[in-house]
Amino acid sequence: KQEVTQIPAALSVPEGENLVLNCSFTDSAIYNLQWFRQDPGKGLTSLLLIQSSQREQTSGRLNASLDKSSGRSTLYIAASQPGDSATYLCAVSSDSWGKLQFGAGTQVVVTP
Amino acid sequence: DGGITQSPKYLFRKEGQNVTLSCEQNLNHDAMYWYRQDPGQGLRLIYYSQIVNDFQKGDIAEGYSVSREKKESFPLTVTSAQKNPTAFYLCASSVGQGDNQPQHFGDGTRLSIL
Repeated sequence: KQEVTQIPAALSVPEGENLVLNCSFTDSAIYNLQWFRQDPGKGLTSLLLIQSSQREQTSGRLNASLDKSSGRSTLYIAASQPGDSATYLCAVSSDSWGKLQFGAGTQVVVTP
Repeated sequence: DGGITQSPKYLFRKEGQNVTLSCEQNLNHDAMYWYRQDPGQGLRLIYYSQIVNDFQKGDIAEGYSVSREKKESFPLTVTSAQKNPTAFYLCASSVGQGDNQPQHFGDGTRLSIL
């Protein structure tokens, strides 16, 4: 069964620093990998989706890489801002039916 | 604006009571999903549906039931058989099977026991 792990569970950085968030998964046979943001008491907002055939995706200050052979994905957020404070969740889909296996998330605080 | 609406935002359940959580989407998506989130944990899949009048159990379906009579609606019933229902429930949708498109989420319903 696919297991998804996110380390660290929490991270605090000063404004302006680059953020590096890690996600690992146990089964490399994935369909896609998604990164989400969750604000307190809210639902999830999709940030990036990487298909299994892709190595990375970029959107603005966000860049996500995927290495299936090592079972890892990394989300980079450049020049962090206080508004980036949130919990970031990684999720893996192992087939085309869209069922996602989630990591527990990394809680990020960006201090002014 | 298109999106997913979950109601109510907060819900309280008494012992032995069934409660129903509403999820409506106007994105014209075929696939819909229900997840449960406990503090400090990731989301776990309860049920999913790829098409009207069809749905499948997820990883933690025991004590829950769903229906999919309309494309726009996917209500979740938390039955009295679910002994630990206190959690944050999230509904999501996506275009459909094989779409390789991100899932869209509602703002959730927080369920507590009275």
